[in-house]
Amino acid sequence: AQSVTQLGSHVSVSEGALVLLRCNYSSSVPPYLFWYVQYPNQGLQLLLKYTTGATLVKGINGFEAEFKKSETSFHLTKPSAHMSDAAEYFCAVSALGNQFYFGTGTSLTVIP
Amino acid sequence: DARVTQTPRHKVTEMGQEVTMRCQPILGHNTVFWYRQTMMQGLELLAYFRNRAPLDDSGMPKDRFSAEMPDATLATLKIQPSEPRDSAVYFCASGFETGYAEAFFGQGTRLTVV
Repeated sequence: AQSVTQLGSHVSVSEGALVLLRCNYSSSVPPYLFWYVQYPNQGLQLLLKYTTGATLVKGINGFEAEFKKSETSFHLTKPSAHMSDAAEYFCAVSALGNQFYFGTGTSLTVIP
Repeated sequence: DARVTQTPRHKVTEMGQEVTMRCQPILGHNTVFWYRQTMMQGLELLAYFRNRAPLDDSGMPKDRFSAEMPDATLATLKIQPSEPRDSAVYFCASGFETGYAEAFFGQGTRLTVV
């Protein structure tokens, strides 16, 4: 069985500040982990993914995430928030041949 | 630029009417997902197909919802009869079966049942 927990349904940061969105997963098999972003009235767009190999994964728009097996975490970070980062962010877990399990999402607000 | 295409983008219908949503997955993808998104429930998996065969539709209310893939280029989600509680955004996504390949999402169909 697989599941994802996103801590904090709403996160607010000032423009230029660090963005940290938390994701913890549960998986009985080696997981594949994803972060998606959803802008208003849009579908979900992939930010980055971890499959195997390097545990620090870089994605689009300056985001990155680190897979920490010991902590069962896959937190998303960005050093400096931009107004255009305001959106809904979803963490998801999958495994070989499996479906995707999404978290409940975190709404990011960027304060000018 | 390959993308998942969903039609219609918006649909307003009266309670009791049949609603059909369509999805054209990315060419070559063999897995198709249907999700429903609401404020209260978030993203819910309704059904998914692999090589056009339904693998899991346990998230779908069977009495009124049905999902099919008549061919590899078309997936449909039908609601009959529709109810106000079905109002939501319905997303189709496609991908490869490996699990480590991401799912590509369409723009969604915003359904309003009045």
